[in-house]
Amino acid sequence: NAGVMQNPRHLVRRRGQEARLRCSPMKGHSHVYWYRQLPEEGLKFMVYLQKENIIDESGMPKERFSAEFPKEGPSILRIQQVVRGDSAAYFCASSLVEGGSYEQYFGPGTRLTVT
Amino acid sequence: QQQVKQSPQSLIVQKGGISIINCAYENTAFDYFPWYQQFPGKGPALLIAIRPDVSEKKEGRFTISFNKSAKQFSLHIMDSQPGDSATYFCAAVPPYNQGGKLIFGQGTELSVKP
Repeated sequence: NAGVMQNPRHLVRRRGQEARLRCSPMKGHSHVYWYRQLPEEGLKFMVYLQKENIIDESGMPKERFSAEFPKEGPSILRIQQVVRGDSAAYFCASSLVEGGSYEQYFGPGTRLTVT
Repeated sequence: QQQVKQSPQSLIVQKGGISIINCAYENTAFDYFPWYQQFPGKGPALLIAIRPDVSEKKEGRFTISFNKSAKQFSLHIMDSQPGDSATYFCAAVPPYNQGGKLIFGQGTELSVKP
């Protein structure tokens, strides 16, 4: 029973390049959350998606960041024209939600380094 | 109002001792309070969680105490072991009709000395 999968685990990008982070939720989960963990800081919510819908993107920076969760395939967090301040660990979590379940299960994260 | 405040920032406990981490919140609409454990280089792992209609929940050596009137909750780790050394995050979740996202505390770095 595979857990939440994220790839790549490590990603190095030069300033100005694009970063694409992928997340496959746990089997049966249709709700995906993305969180960012900056060095020496806690976890901050970025965006909440269901299949083909963005439910809450209140934590997403207004520019350069976008997310999607298509009908088929993984959820993708896309960062355009990366800057050094984007260097962080990006985690996705998935949840079942139905039946009143609030439990969110995290993937291993993608560690983005911008040089 | 969406903040969760966690203390202490770091904690050193001797093996066999009790580790206590505290969290406080403002938003009374929060209705789910999980704790996560994170080892270096890994993703957070759900440890234990409580709903506000319960004052205490125990799972093995881990106990959550919840004080609804004070808007505080805490994690107690009994008989702490070196393998418990990790960063612990409390969190709060508003009802799903308000988004369902996790709002995390700042984290507590626990070190259990042998």
